[in-house]
Amino acid sequence: GAVVSQHPSRVICKSGTSVKIECRSLDFQATTMFWYRQFPKQSLMLMATSNEGSKATYEQGVEKDKFLINHASLTLSTLTVTSAHPEDSSFYICSASRPGQRNEQFFGPGTRLTVL
Amino acid sequence: QKEVEQNSGPLSVPEGAIASLNCTYSDRGSQSFFWYRQYSGKSPELIMSIYSNGDKEDGRFTAQLNKASQYVSLLIRDSQPSDSATYLCAVNAAGNKLTFGGGTRVLVKP
Repeated sequence: GAVVSQHPSRVICKSGTSVKIECRSLDFQATTMFWYRQFPKQSLMLMATSNEGSKATYEQGVEKDKFLINHASLTLSTLTVTSAHPEDSSFYICSASRPGQRNEQFFGPGTRLTVL
Repeated sequence: QKEVEQNSGPLSVPEGAIASLNCTYSDRGSQSFFWYRQYSGKSPELIMSIYSNGDKEDGRFTAQLNKASQYVSLLIRDSQPSDSATYLCAVNAAGNKLTFGGGTRVLVKP
């Protein structure tokens, strides 16, 4: 299989705090992980591409100092939303691709962030 | 200009009928094509991948690819109420990133 987990599944925080979301590939090594954001009734928006052992590549318009990504191992990437504000409330989803699988991406269950 | 286009729907289909979903893409160099299913409030689930022209069948799902027309489709046979979801078309055009269409919402009515 190709199982990707995310933690936490849901988080509510106060404005100004930081939130860390973990993404793990459970049964394969993922050299590349991706972070997406999805607002209600909209499609997925790619935020950044995370490569193990190197700096993440951010999409245009995504603030790298606000959305800190660390890909410390072949099975773990983390996204930290720093100084969160209500407009950061969204559904954050990670995905991982298996080497040699022609760019198939497998998604984690997502993290619903609500900033009060 | 959007790179991957889908009709947003909703596509209303009677139970037991065939649902036909379409997707067009702009980058002729695209090599990999995927269909994901996303239930409301959940993350996308990969249901089909296709890489060469023609049809690929998996259970009740058939993906069809025509690179010359830059067109990929998904057929769902014997549609069930549990197939009611948003179906996302995704295309690999550059590096290992996927570009997603806006999704087609499918409603299967009993």
